[in-house]
Amino acid sequence: QKEVEQDPGPLSVPEGAIVSLNCTYSNSAFQYFMWYRQYSRKGPELLMYTYSSGNKEDGRFTAQVDKSSKYISLFIRDSQPSDSATYLCAFSYNQGGKLIFGQGTELSVKP
Amino acid sequence: DGGITQSPKYLFRKEGQNVTLSCEQNLNHDAMYWYRQDPGQGLRLIYYSQIVNDFQKGDIAEGYSVSREKKESFPLTVTSAQKNPTAFYLCASSPARGGEKLFFGSGTQLSVL
Repeated sequence: QKEVEQDPGPLSVPEGAIVSLNCTYSNSAFQYFMWYRQYSRKGPELLMYTYSSGNKEDGRFTAQVDKSSKYISLFIRDSQPSDSATYLCAFSYNQGGKLIFGQGTELSVKP
Repeated sequence: DGGITQSPKYLFRKEGQNVTLSCEQNLNHDAMYWYRQDPGQGLRLIYYSQIVNDFQKGDIAEGYSVSREKKESFPLTVTSAQKNPTAFYLCASSPARGGEKLFFGSGTQLSVL
């Protein structure tokens, strides 16, 4: 079983749709949960960072962590064409530790 | 304007040749990292360094070498021992105790001629 599972997509939605991106993981020792956004042929940028279970909201983006189910999600409300990118989930055991990345989900938002 | 600069953007390697990818940061970060990205495989850690003159192997270090002589610089050499070097290479940095908050460069695409 892979340590992290992420559907690679591609996922195509119309502008204005609500997008749900998901990752599952097998290691219950993960304490930090992140989402990175990567535009084509660019370096990833940190989008959301959470510690422990619960929700975190930042503008149109909401990160959700369910440690009991070993499942994290990223929701994008009112999606825009500029949201078209690959979204990578990432996990860490401790602060300052090595990151484990999912393979990324490619999202396309059509005008 | 603080950030991480990777060069070159595109690089071609001939059979049996060593090539070096440059990574410079002016964020005053202690830790620096090299990742390899292949289509559909996410990011895999090659090497990382948490302090000058010290570095550790990541998950796929074979065929690669690094140095960390200055805080700002962390070059990666892809040696001839790396038999499948074609990939997108990403350099990143982070504050000493913020390894989960990585700042990435724009990447170098390495291809084999």
